[in-house]
Amino acid sequence: DADVTQTPRNRITKTGKRIMLECSQTKGHDRMYWYRQDPGLGLRLIYYSFDVKDINKGEISDGYSVSRQAQAKFSLSLESAIPNQTALYFCATSDQGAEAFFGQGTRLTVV
Amino acid sequence: AQSVTQLGSHVSVSEGALVLLRCNYSSSVPPYLFWYVQYPNQGLQLLLKYTSAATLVKGINGFEAEFKKSETSFHLTKPSAHMSDAAEYFCAVSDRFGDYKLSFGAGTTVTVRA
Repeated sequence: DADVTQTPRNRITKTGKRIMLECSQTKGHDRMYWYRQDPGLGLRLIYYSFDVKDINKGEISDGYSVSRQAQAKFSLSLESAIPNQTALYFCATSDQGAEAFFGQGTRLTVV
Repeated sequence: AQSVTQLGSHVSVSEGALVLLRCNYSSSVPPYLFWYVQYPNQGLQLLLKYTSAATLVKGINGFEAEFKKSETSFHLTKPSAHMSDAAEYFCAVSDRFGDYKLSFGAGTTVTVRA
């Protein structure tokens, strides 16, 4: 089984719809992250969490929200999806100062 | 905040030739540094990392990187490119005197010519 699992892997949704992307990890790490990947822009940090009670905004948090349901679970929500949120989304987990382990990504298309 | 700059969004090399991918970080204090690789339709995989031990770091698949404080650089190299090295490569930085969150460069796509 993968260390970091993202669901769904692909999703097409309509403008204005609410959508949730889910992430779970089996590494036992406290830190979890949501990134967005766009061509030519690399990975940009949306939100990150250092434990269940800690949530922090990243560089592009507008239009997104997150929930840390447990140490192993970190979900990302788009309250009202818009086309420029079409991207590849990655969840990751790490220990402090160590490398991050990534999920396979969720390809989201907003039409 | 820490940041990294990857010079060159695309690099094309011949099979068997040297691969050189450039990464510079912005900090007066050396951070932790990482190189990741992303193959098509996959997540990111760690190639190697620098965490203030040896300045020459060896990674998987024959890649290595050298940390140069005077140049604030962490360039990735492989002596002989293989067709399977075609992928996108990301340099990342973690601020070890801050909250350790990872920040990524824009990425460099490598194509390998037969």
